[in-house]
Amino acid sequence: GAVVSQHPSWVICKSGTSVKIECRSLDFQATTMFWYRQFPKQSLMLMATSNEGSKATYEQGVEKDKFLINHASLTLSTLTVTSAHPEDSSFYICSARRAFRDQPQHFGDGTRLSIL
Amino acid sequence: SQQGEEDPQALSIQEGENATMNCSYKTSINNLQWYRQNSGRGLVHLILIRSNEREKHSGRLRVTLDTSKKSSSLLITASRAADTASYFCATDDRGSTLGRLYFGRGTQLTVWP
Repeated sequence: GAVVSQHPSWVICKSGTSVKIECRSLDFQATTMFWYRQFPKQSLMLMATSNEGSKATYEQGVEKDKFLINHASLTLSTLTVTSAHPEDSSFYICSARRAFRDQPQHFGDGTRLSIL
Repeated sequence: SQQGEEDPQALSIQEGENATMNCSYKTSINNLQWYRQNSGRGLVHLILIRSNEREKHSGRLRVTLDTSKKSSSLLITASRAADTASYFCATDDRGSTLGRLYFGRGTQLTVWP
């Protein structure tokens, strides 16, 4: 199997707080990891793509300074939402993929972020 | 950004019936993938079909791909209540260097016991 663990699953915090979300591939090496945002009853919006050891590639319209992504190892990527505000409240999902492009992405269970 | 568009947006059937969902896309692709999402959870990969393939099976799932029409379909045979979920198609665009996936809006499938 290919298991991806995402932590925490649920966060509630005050406006202005920075929140870090971890995404780990537990039983395989993830050359590439992806971060998505999903609004209720909507599709996944790709935020950024990260390759181990290099800077993340952000999608158009996603603020790099707001959503900091680090992919320090082949099994761990983190997303930090800096100075979070209520409009950042959403469901954030990570996925990980093995080296070859023609491989499926394996998803974590998501993090529900609520900013008060 | 979104690439695939699923149809219908919602589908409600009885257990034992077949469910068919369609996906249309706009660009040239390397592959097309179908995923399933239970409410409030992450996505589970179902099937990946490459651009040079026309049909693929996995258990009760059958996926077809017509690159000339830029469309794909997912058929779930003999559906079960446990199949209730949202189903998304996602495309890996040939023009993308990173193998990013672009998801459609999904089809919400409800299977009644």
